[in-house]
Amino acid sequence: SAVISQKPSRDICQRGTSLTIQCQVDSQVTMMFWYRQQPGQSLTLIATANQGSEATYESGFVIDKFPISRPNLTFSTLTVSNMSPEDSSIYLCSVGARDTQYFGPGTRLTVL
Amino acid sequence: AQSVTQPDIHITVSEGASLELRCNYSYGATPYLFWYVQSPGQGLQLLLKYFSGDTLVQGIKGFEAEFKRSQSSFNLRKPSVHWSDAAEYFCAVGAGDDKIIFGKGTRLHILP
Repeated sequence: SAVISQKPSRDICQRGTSLTIQCQVDSQVTMMFWYRQQPGQSLTLIATANQGSEATYESGFVIDKFPISRPNLTFSTLTVSNMSPEDSSIYLCSVGARDTQYFGPGTRLTVL
Repeated sequence: AQSVTQPDIHITVSEGASLELRCNYSYGATPYLFWYVQSPGQGLQLLLKYFSGDTLVQGIKGFEAEFKRSQSSFNLRKPSVHWSDAAEYFCAVGAGDDKIIFGKGTRLHILP
């Protein structure tokens, strides 16, 4: 299994600002995924990030709001832009494919 | 379209009692099925997974799940729960495009 770390673990941000979340994996992986978990809800896939190509966004998520970088096979970032209180969630990255995915510990974001 | 249904939002059992958490899926082909657990303030941990073969799958922490194709179900069981099992449990299905789709989760409460 892969060991995944995320930074920051939590943050409190002001409305209108942006936050970049980092995801680091201890081995090279092809696919990385970003999920959002709103309070009391399940996980919703934001986008799939493959190294060397543009991220693929799910319905309801757009690149301007959630830009993603994938500079190499062990690292990815997700930026939550122009935040509003509705963006308060846990953001998780994961690695793997449809046969197994391992998750990072998550970033708990609160927007005031 | 693929989907996962967890009909029970909350389940309460006494410590030492048996547990069964229900999960139904919708998927056209042979599914990849998973159970994840999320303890308060923690990330997601993979309990077990099913791809093929024996329909009774053993996982970590004494959990098992049974795949029943005829009922499109993948219920999670444990013969005797411990107070530390109190958590949110997510059933998930691996989709054809390397995504994992999660159910809404079942929160397990343990009575002393």
